[in-house]
Amino acid sequence: DSGVTQTPKHLITATGQRVTLRCSPRSGDLSVYWYQQSLDQGLQFLIQYYNGEERAKGNILERFSAQQFPDLHSELNLSSLELGDSALYFCASMVSQPQHFGDGTRLSIL
Amino acid sequence: AQKVTQAQTEISVVEKEDVTLDCVYETRDTTYYLFWYKQPPSGELVFLIRRNSFDEQNEISGRYSWNFQKSTSSFNFTITASQVVDSAVYFCALSLNYGGATNKLIFGTGTLLAVQP
Repeated sequence: DSGVTQTPKHLITATGQRVTLRCSPRSGDLSVYWYQQSLDQGLQFLIQYYNGEERAKGNILERFSAQQFPDLHSELNLSSLELGDSALYFCASMVSQPQHFGDGTRLSIL
Repeated sequence: AQKVTQAQTEISVVEKEDVTLDCVYETRDTTYYLFWYKQPPSGELVFLIRRNSFDEQNEISGRYSWNFQKSTSSFNFTITASQVVDSAVYFCALSLNYGGATNKLIFGTGTLLAVQP
């Protein structure tokens, strides 16, 4: 158990919809990272938050957004979903290396 | 730019064989971390090892060993006497390590290891 909790584990929805993925980091970890794992793109960094502030952006689409709340949990919002957004979304947290990953949320777009 | 290459897409071995997973990285930075993560069929990402760019000492942990060579920009992973439970996708990753770096992980494409009984 990494100590990072992601909910839900599975999400099935339709094109055009909006979903929210949730991540609770390990106790004391201020940094939260989001990654997307797809067959086409592999494992890619999306965005990082540190203590409530956005720290870095990677290959994140404009339809996607994230935030980190005062209690340090983070949410990744995906809107106007397309078939290509089907993927496994991971959250990771750290205070110092290494990053510890949650079990992921598997998003399926029908 | 940084890049991680895992040229081996799939490897199949028979139980008790030794197997080496290759990882080659590219970065112009002098301070960085290298990692190996394991993704079993259940899907989670499990941290295996971290290596700092200033520490080229090889490491052994049980049946696992890692060979870090800066001269060839490689960080290879060997499993000795493989077991069926080792079957998984293994990812090599790179992260920069200096003040101001985001510490995001740059992953290779992974190597699928299948250990046959």
